[in-house]
Amino acid sequence: DAGVIQSPRHEVTEMGQEVTLRCKPISGHDYLFWYRQTMMRGLELLIYFNNNVPIDDSGMPEDRFSAKMPNASFSTLKIQPSEPRDSAVYFCASSRGQAETQYFGPGTRLLVL
Amino acid sequence: AQSVAQPEDQVNVAEGNPLTVKCTYSVSGNPYLFWYVQYPNRGLQFLLKYITGDNLVKGSYGFEAEFNKSQTSFHLKKPSALVSDSALYFCAVRDSTSGGSYIPTFGRGTSLIVHP
Repeated sequence: DAGVIQSPRHEVTEMGQEVTLRCKPISGHDYLFWYRQTMMRGLELLIYFNNNVPIDDSGMPEDRFSAKMPNASFSTLKIQPSEPRDSAVYFCASSRGQAETQYFGPGTRLLVL
Repeated sequence: AQSVAQPEDQVNVAEGNPLTVKCTYSVSGNPYLFWYVQYPNRGLQFLLKYITGDNLVKGSYGFEAEFNKSQTSFHLKKPSALVSDSALYFCAVRDSTSGGSYIPTFGRGTSLIVHP
């Protein structure tokens, strides 16, 4: 298996622009997680899905953030409009079961100028 | 509620010496405990986990962790550190009781630096 795939690996954009991050989980995994990592806040859980359904989005910082999972093999995290404080590394992870080992993608390093 | 603490932001150790990265937790019931490692510019990788059974858990790359219920700790250890072990280490906990969160909570991470 190729593991969790994220794209793009790096994104540089200007404030106010829309940013879309993409994730392909490991086949057969029924949980998908989006995390944000910064020096100041560490690793934060933004939202997670079970069988493509959003279960808990309480970690999503603002309405500017939205996430979708249209099918079992694809999820997006969208920021619109983006702001400099959104600059971070965004990770997608998947697991087979809610309490099981999570497998992380390589991350998307986002820089908003 | 569940929580996890990694009391040290950074741990420094000389190559060849034993290393310990500390983790303490708080749960209502019994814990599920995990250790992950993050190398520079990479995602987190699973190292080991404790669900039940033997208090000493062995994992990848020669790492092990000891579950101590009385001290609510799950410290990560390795008998002989390598320079290549230098990375960011995360502890995570999930409460096994039905009233707890079903998703593991991650600590803030501990940076391990192994000096040649």
